[in-house]
Amino acid sequence: GAGVSQSPSNKVTEKGKDVELRCDPISGHTALYWYRQRLGQGLEFLIYFQGNSAPDKSGLPSDRFSAERTGESVSTLTIQRTQQEDSAVYLCASSFSYNEQFFGPGTRLTVL
Amino acid sequence: AQSVTQLGSHVSVSEGALVLLRCNYSSSVPPYLFWYVQYPNQGLQLLLKYTSAATLVKGINGFEAEFKKSETSFHLTKPSAHMSDAAEYFCAVSEGQGGKLIFGQGTELSVKP
Repeated sequence: GAGVSQSPSNKVTEKGKDVELRCDPISGHTALYWYRQRLGQGLEFLIYFQGNSAPDKSGLPSDRFSAERTGESVSTLTIQRTQQEDSAVYLCASSFSYNEQFFGPGTRLTVL
Repeated sequence: AQSVTQLGSHVSVSEGALVLLRCNYSSSVPPYLFWYVQYPNQGLQLLLKYTSAATLVKGINGFEAEFKKSETSFHLTKPSAHMSDAAEYFCAVSEGQGGKLIFGQGTELSVKP
């Protein structure tokens, strides 16, 4: 019974480059969430996928951020033209229907 | 809009002392409330949740929280702190059992021997 996995665990990139972060949810979980945790701050909601419904993108901070999910499996969060303020830990969580969200270990993104 | 305020970004207690971490929420609908713990270099783990059943909720590791609607609070307590409780604690609210979580800023708990 694997938990939520995320890759890479660490990513260092240069300002202006694009990055892709991957999340593998727990098998069978219909909902998938992305959050961001900047240094010394709480978690900010980014985007939420539930089954085949249209995703809730209300937390995406700019149009440089986008995410996709293939069915009820893997999700990719893409940040285009990265900026230094994008440096954070990006956390993915999944849940079965409307139950507890299980979090992955996160991807630490550093933009130089 | 929903919001969560955690009073005190850092709380320090002695081993064996009472732990009290404060959380106040704002919600226009009956809230679902959660406490998560994040140990160093680990992901978030659910401690407990309130989903409109009993107002006193018991969680893992001896923690409990009481939902007080009149005070819009959901404070986390543990009668006797243990060194292993040192971690960051996050309070969160959602409009339903599903959907996005709105988190507080977090409270870092230190436990002194």
